[in-house]
Amino acid sequence: AQSVTQPDIHITVSEGASLELRCNYSYGATPYLFWYVQSPGQGLQLLLKYFSGDTLVQGIKGFEAEFKRSQSSFNLRKPSVHWSDAAEYFCAVGSGNTGKLIFGQGTTLQVKP
Amino acid sequence: DTAVSQTPKYLVTQMGNDKSIKCEQNLGHDTMYWYKQDSKKFLKIMFSYNNKELIINETVPNRFSPKSPDKAHLNLHINSLELGDSAVYFCASSIRDPRGNEQFFGPGTRLTVL
Repeated sequence: AQSVTQPDIHITVSEGASLELRCNYSYGATPYLFWYVQSPGQGLQLLLKYFSGDTLVQGIKGFEAEFKRSQSSFNLRKPSVHWSDAAEYFCAVGSGNTGKLIFGQGTTLQVKP
Repeated sequence: DTAVSQTPKYLVTQMGNDKSIKCEQNLGHDTMYWYKQDSKKFLKIMFSYNNKELIINETVPNRFSPKSPDKAHLNLHINSLELGDSAVYFCASSIRDPRGNEQFFGPGTRLTVL
């Protein structure tokens, strides 16, 4: 069965520092992969997605992610974090033939001034 | 302007009551979803409708009944509310792709059962 693991429950970085959030998936074929962000009290917003092609994907708000099939990973990166990036981040994989998304447990990002 | 809207935003009610949450999308999508987010922020799909047809029905108690009057609306009715039903419920919509597609989420409905 498909699954997504986000190994880091909570990450704290200083404003201006670089960021990498980890995501590992389990899927038999080439997966459809997504990163979403949830600000406090809000719904989820898509940051970026990977379906096929170039394994380095650019998203909104200066985020990018790299698909590595050999490592079953889809890590999210940002070169310089802003205080407004503090939020919950979810990695998700498209599941089988139902169209549903399976989400990881989420990573809480805290940004220190 | 709002792409996916939900009402109400907050719902506080007593155990045993019946309540409904409404969802509407104006994106022209053909598929809608209900998710439950628990206190640990874990998101789990509950139901999905494609053109008013139920296509995903996860192991959810029978007390939860979705209804889709048309492809722009998906409502969730909950009977005999229990304490464990307290959570944030998100509606989402997408264009159907069997392998998964970008889903657009509503702002959520925070349900508190006392």
